Amino acid sequence: DGGITQSPKYLFRKEGQNVTLSCEQNLNHDAMYWYRQDPGQGLRLIYYSQIVNDFQKGDIAEGYSVSREKKESFPLTVTSAQKNPTAFYLCASRPTGITGELFFGEGSRLTVL
Amino acid sequence: SQQGEEDPQALSIQEGENATMNCSYKTSINNLQWYRQNSGRGLVHLILIRSNEREKHSGRLRVTLDTSKKSSSLLITASRAADTASYFCATAFIGGSNYKLTFGKGTLLTVNP
Repeated sequence: DGGITQSPKYLFRKEGQNVTLSCEQNLNHDAMYWYRQDPGQGLRLIYYSQIVNDFQKGDIAEGYSVSREKKESFPLTVTSAQKNPTAFYLCASRPTGITGELFFGEGSRLTVL
Repeated sequence: SQQGEEDPQALSIQEGENATMNCSYKTSINNLQWYRQNSGRGLVHLILIRSNEREKHSGRLRVTLDTSKKSSSLLITASRAADTASYFCATAFIGGSNYKLTFGKGTLLTVNP
């Protein structure tokens, strides 16, 4: 079935370590997005990519990095520079050329110990 | 920020009753969308209303949009226990070739059997 797969679902990290969250989609969508969600909060945009080899910063990009080398993949690295990395991370995709809805993965919960 | 703000933050009703959630935003938009999130899961798109539309229906959902007041409402009729979830509005903005969705903090709906 077509969809968006995020892995791992749960991740624990020690302070000072970088961690990479995976996001893969087989929907043939051009645009992909990363959001962060904190308890009781809405989603805040970290990075987004409209096309392969191009991406833009969102509202809270500091301490994060991304790459978009393949259409299907948009990994997010949470670096040690991110002050409060414990959160629920959501990846989404959207077909380019259509000003429509986002399709979300099931999320990755990162906990910094 | 053009982040939407949902009201109320939490809503508890009995099965069979109607649930109304409101969303306000600050800047011009291309469209407004409503999403649902079950606890610990990804978001699921419910309905999209474009800036030139005033009302839209989908099953038990009714969405209105008042661009002069920069507000929208989501009505769920004849609610069911399975409707228990968080509901988010998202405002879509197009800047150049970039298409971004900005989410509110959500309304937690509890439907009691």
